[in-house]
Amino acid sequence: GAVVSQHPSWVICKSGTSVKIECRSLDFQATTMFWYRQFPKQSLMLMATSNEGSKATYEQGVEKDKFLINHASLTLSTLTVTSAHPEDSSFYICSARDRGLTQYFGPGTRLLVL
Amino acid sequence: AQKITQTQPGMFVQEKEAVTLDCTYDTSDQSYGLFWYKQPSSGEMIFLIYQGSYDEQNATEGRYSLNFQKARKSANLVISASQLGDSAMYFCAAPLQGGSEKLVFGKGTKLTVNP
Repeated sequence: GAVVSQHPSWVICKSGTSVKIECRSLDFQATTMFWYRQFPKQSLMLMATSNEGSKATYEQGVEKDKFLINHASLTLSTLTVTSAHPEDSSFYICSARDRGLTQYFGPGTRLLVL
Repeated sequence: AQKITQTQPGMFVQEKEAVTLDCTYDTSDQSYGLFWYKQPSSGEMIFLIYQGSYDEQNATEGRYSLNFQKARKSANLVISASQLGDSAMYFCAAPLQGGSEKLVFGKGTKLTVNP
């Protein structure tokens, strides 16, 4: 149980385009989902906390207009990187929390902006 | 707020041997939990084990166990009978502060299992 999927796993796009990443909890309902960013050889950096039916809470320094988060249902959250630039290239990974404390992670999305 | 420290950037272990990955934390909360995650080169974060601060026994999950020393604020992960597939990054994590949904992660330890 506690499976989280993430799509796409890889995306390459041109500078200026927008990219949408989906995060789904497959076998449980997740009232809270989280979006992280990870640079090579570094730890995870929390970007935002996403609650179903309400606005996401962004961490300090994360541009909410740049990284749009929508948590439309108890099983789906989306992250849209708007007007992507090369500095947005990174590994983005989501997690979903079940009724307990444990966060279960998706497989991540590698974004490369040319 | 919670702070997680993993002092071992890299560790090496021979296949079939046991290895301990260190994790210390810094919290003033009375109730808290500690998590360990494994991140293979593919990137996914795999939940391994959880220890609650009030759990009387050290958590175990298959070949994974936690050496939880509350007074020393340490929660070291022990992997027994290492396998080549255990080679990965390992992250220790804990809630940012009491009751928080947010996790704070250590910098991780890269484990390499040698044949």
